[in-house]
Amino acid sequence: ETGVTQSPTHLIKTRGQQVTLRCSSQSGHNTVSWYQQALGQGPQFIFQYYREEENGRGNFPPRFSGLQFPNYSSELNVNALELDDSALYLCASRNQGGRETQYFGPGTRLLVL
Amino acid sequence: AQSVAQPEDQVNVAEGNPLTVKCTYSVSGNPYLFWYVQYPNRGLQFLLKYITGDNLVKGSYGFEAEFNKSQTSFHLKKPSALVSDSALYFCAVRDTTAGGSYIPTFGRGTSLIVHP
Repeated sequence: ETGVTQSPTHLIKTRGQQVTLRCSSQSGHNTVSWYQQALGQGPQFIFQYYREEENGRGNFPPRFSGLQFPNYSSELNVNALELDDSALYLCASRNQGGRETQYFGPGTRLLVL
Repeated sequence: AQSVAQPEDQVNVAEGNPLTVKCTYSVSGNPYLFWYVQYPNRGLQFLLKYITGDNLVKGSYGFEAEFNKSQTSFHLKKPSALVSDSALYFCAVRDTTAGGSYIPTFGRGTSLIVHP
């Protein structure tokens, strides 16, 4: 098991609502990335945070936003939920640097009804 | 742009036989390549990576992968499969071109089923 934790493990929301997912990075890691994994698909990069600033973003609309805190933990916020937002949301942490390996948390399963 | 292809949705192998899970990639510069495994209802677990150096990379649980630059491939292998190896396997690539985003792109995954 990695030292990356995520909460909650499961979540059910209705269309139009807002959701906040949380991630604690592995000790010593200063970079956090969020991914969306739809059923039967590989993880799709949402965005990355380093030193509390977003420094990379995938092809996701602005209603997907995030934060990173001084202790390097992070939040993913999704506004105006849509049915297609139903997925497993994965957080990964690493140290900044091109050669560093990402370590993933167990994920949060979001179901939008 | 970078991309990863895992041409097989599913690989079936008998326990004790060698296994191969295929991955090909496309990047504009030199690649960093990764393999991850995902068990049901779990996050991704890191298996191994290629950064530079020896083309044969050894990783966790007896897995290894061979980097082939001319064929732009990074196939995952294991000499003797176990039933417990049954899981979903993901290949990922990260472009190391100067100014690149260092954001990895994942393949769609290959389901490995090892039969007793």
